[in-house]
Formats: sequence, C-alpha cells, structure tokens
Amino acid sequence: GAGVSQSPSNKVTEKGKDVELRCDPISGHTALYWYRQSLGQGLEFLIYFQGNSAPDKSGLPSDRFSAERTGGSVSTLTIQRTQQEDSAVYLCASSLSSVFNYGYTFGSGTRLTVV
Amino acid sequence: QKEVEQNSGPLSVPEGAIASLNCTYSDRGSQSFFWYRQYSGKSPELIMSIYSNGDKEDGRFTAQLNKASQYVSLLIRDSQPSDSATYLCAVNEYSNYQLIWGAGTKLIIKP
Repeated sequence: GAGVSQSPSNKVTEKGKDVELRCDPISGHTALYWYRQSLGQGLEFLIYFQGNSAPDKSGLPSDRFSAERTGGSVSTLTIQRTQQEDSAVYLCASSLSSVFNYGYTFGSGTRLTVV
Repeated sequence: QKEVEQNSGPLSVPEGAIASLNCTYSDRGSQSFFWYRQYSGKSPELIMSIYSNGDKEDGRFTAQLNKASQYVSLLIRDSQPSDSATYLCAVNEYSNYQLIWGAGTKLIIKP
C-alpha cells in the first residue's frame, strides 16, 4: 500500500482480556518495527522483524507480549491478559532495508486503553 | 549504551524567526541521522535525513551534521505556528538495524 496501515485505530479493552493489533507495512519494505509510546513519553522499542523472522525481541516488556509476521508483510502484535499499564499508543514502522537505514515510515498507530 | 540526547524544551520561538534544534549522540560509528516531526496525537513523520558532514537544505529546513563533534542540528527558517510540534532526533550506525531515538524537543512557535 501507499503507507503503513494499522488497525484498529482505537481499542478499549477490559483488564485481563487479550488484544491483537495489526500492521500492514509498505509493500517491499523488509524491515518492520513495533514501538510503544505512553502519553507524553518517548518511543519505546518493542520488536524488530526482518522478513518473517524477529532477530530482536528484547523490547517486549513481558511474556504477555508476542508478535508475528507472515509472508514478509502483515504483522500482528498480541497482548495477553492486558493490564492498565499496557495503555499506550502502539506504533508500527517499516523500512526499505535494515542494512543501511533509510529511515522509518510510521503508521498512524493504535491507541490502546485498558479499563 | 548508545545514547541520543536532546533538550526536552519547550523551545519557544517567535513566528518568522529561526528555530534551532540540537541533538548529540554517543556512538562514533553512527552513519545515518534523521529528524522526525511529531504533532500532538499523531505519529512521527520523517522530515530530514543526513548522512555526511555539512549542511543539507530542504525548503525552510536545514540539517547540519558534525561527526567529529557528534552532533546534528535542525534549523527551521521563517518559523510558522504550524511548525509547533515535538522534533525527534534518530541515529543509527551502518549495518545496525535499529534507530536510537532522542526523547524529543517540544517546539512552540508564538504568533
């Protein structure tokens, strides 16, 4: 597609429920990144994909968080047993190459609210 | 620990003046440097990239890179109220997959 697409744009969930966030990167972008941004804070790295593999999962806050990428394209970030501290904007970004960085293009984000 | 540092601001600049945003980084191996603009409630948007020492101009924006001093700056000429946003500096080294982000500088352009 023309840009990075994320869905849903907003998600309100009850504490303890599972949620899935979707990211559809720019066509041809092999690198895909998930970040989290809490209100008024900076970007918190979560996970990086190169193709379908995830060489770096070091930013995932706990084992309640997982992510996958299929077909070198769409990625899903899953949060199990959501907690109030999971409330944030989840941003997905893609890049043409991870070897020489051309910069990222971000999606519009998913605002997650856990009540 | 690789770091990118920015003054958090807010930086207040009168309309029509030059806004100067600065960023320092710790890794001498860094090769790619980016400035992103983030409006409140929106996602970051790439506005400038720079890869070699010197100045790079794009419209009202000029990025400046000094690898010896390990700093990169962004100048915004003829500042407009629409330039009010948080500006994020991001840096990475060659063959490193990940950008290291500064915390951002909040810029306020006063009419």
